[in-house]
Amino acid sequence: GQNIDQPTEMTATEGAIVQINCTYQTSGFNGLFWYQQHAGEAPTFLSYNVLDGLEEKGRFSSFLSRSKGYSYLLLKELQMKDSASYLCAVREDSNYQLIWGAGTKLIIKP
Amino acid sequence: DSGVTQTPKHLITATGQRVTLRCSPRSGDLSVYWYQQSLDQGLQFLIQYYNGEERAKGNILERFSAQQFPDLHSELNLSSLELGDSALYFCASSPWTGDDTEAFFGQGTRLTVV
Repeated sequence: GQNIDQPTEMTATEGAIVQINCTYQTSGFNGLFWYQQHAGEAPTFLSYNVLDGLEEKGRFSSFLSRSKGYSYLLLKELQMKDSASYLCAVREDSNYQLIWGAGTKLIIKP
Repeated sequence: DSGVTQTPKHLITATGQRVTLRCSPRSGDLSVYWYQQSLDQGLQFLIQYYNGEERAKGNILERFSAQQFPDLHSELNLSSLELGDSALYFCASSPWTGDDTEAFFGQGTRLTVV
């Protein structure tokens, strides 16, 4: 079956670093996406990984290990505006559909 | 602004009614996806259209239907509405159906069934 797991909620301090994990079990794999979603708003694209390793983009980095079915999103120098839900999604080979995790709600405290 | 337009932004209707949600994709995007997001839940994929043809179906109820028109805009029809259908409905578009680019989301339609 298809399954994507993320922690439901995480709390971190402004200025700190936080790592949000995502594990997946899908019938195929053709890329993993991270999206950010503020409450009541549309998801916005953060990163895409299809090969193993780390992709860095400013304060945000994303890591993928295909053999372990594992990814993480690393957020550095946390700002209050980073308080949002972070959604992990996997694109399967077979039909290019995105399978979405339930999201991790990140709460940033001063 | 993602370039994807959804109307209306808010909709309040009674149980048993029927509503139509509209989505205009980004210029040039051929693929349109519809998602449902209930309160504090993840995104549930409903259906995808590519260049006017249904491409894939997710967890879409039989009471729901969609179509993509020749001008590539799409409509999601929800009928015999129930309280549990209250949710945010997102439309997303992408250029193709299998490329490496991300999908761009509209701002969503918040449907409240009373």
